[in-house]
Amino acid sequence: DAKTTQPPSMDCAEGRAANLPCNHSTISGNEYVYWYRQIHSQGPQYIIHGLKNNETNEMASLIITEDRKSSTLILPHATLRDTAVYYCIVRVAVSGGSNYKLTFGKGTLLTVNP
Amino acid sequence: DTGVSQDPRHKITKRGQNVTFRCDPISEHNRLYWYRQTLGQGPEFLTYFQNEAQLEKSRLLSDRFSAERPKGSFSTLEIQRTEQGDSAMYLCASSLLVGTRMTDTQYFGPGTRLTVL
Repeated sequence: DAKTTQPPSMDCAEGRAANLPCNHSTISGNEYVYWYRQIHSQGPQYIIHGLKNNETNEMASLIITEDRKSSTLILPHATLRDTAVYYCIVRVAVSGGSNYKLTFGKGTLLTVNP
Repeated sequence: DTGVSQDPRHKITKRGQNVTFRCDPISEHNRLYWYRQTLGQGPEFLTYFQNEAQLEKSRLLSDRFSAERPKGSFSTLEIQRTEQGDSAMYLCASSLLVGTRMTDTQYFGPGTRLTVL
């Protein structure tokens, strides 16, 4: 799986948009970008994923650059409960019985301040 | 709650003892993964099952570790002769891979925190 680069930490004011960047310059054409977050002492929580197009769901938006070498996760109105470690993961497409494990880095600690 | 569940949530044991953890995946999910997370690190893959078949094991999974998913539903992870280095959070995730879909989304349980004294 391609490696990803994320800033170790970021701050955001409550109610403002949180924009979390991720670089994945060696991504291949069949690799997806996944985002998970982990609140302290809990299991990782799935947020969103995408291949080429921008994606939006009830939690967040994912913006993938046209060359696919970077992406941004956007939390439109951050709350204190969004304070967590956010992981950007690049994952090869699954086929047949192939695995696909998630390879986590250290992620970005997002702290939402009141 | 229809999410992934894990039992126990916490386990404290003495070095040399055996421990077993259980994971109940989301109903009808055909894939089940085990990960381990140590302090300050992201989760690391241990092994995974497709239905009842264990298809891959990480090098992290020493011969003291064994995992089963006997009927393709719940799974157990056993650690024999525990060592202090086994202290970690053990996470289970499940997913559903259907037909020709090229990706499956893994949903994680709350984890089992193991402390080996």
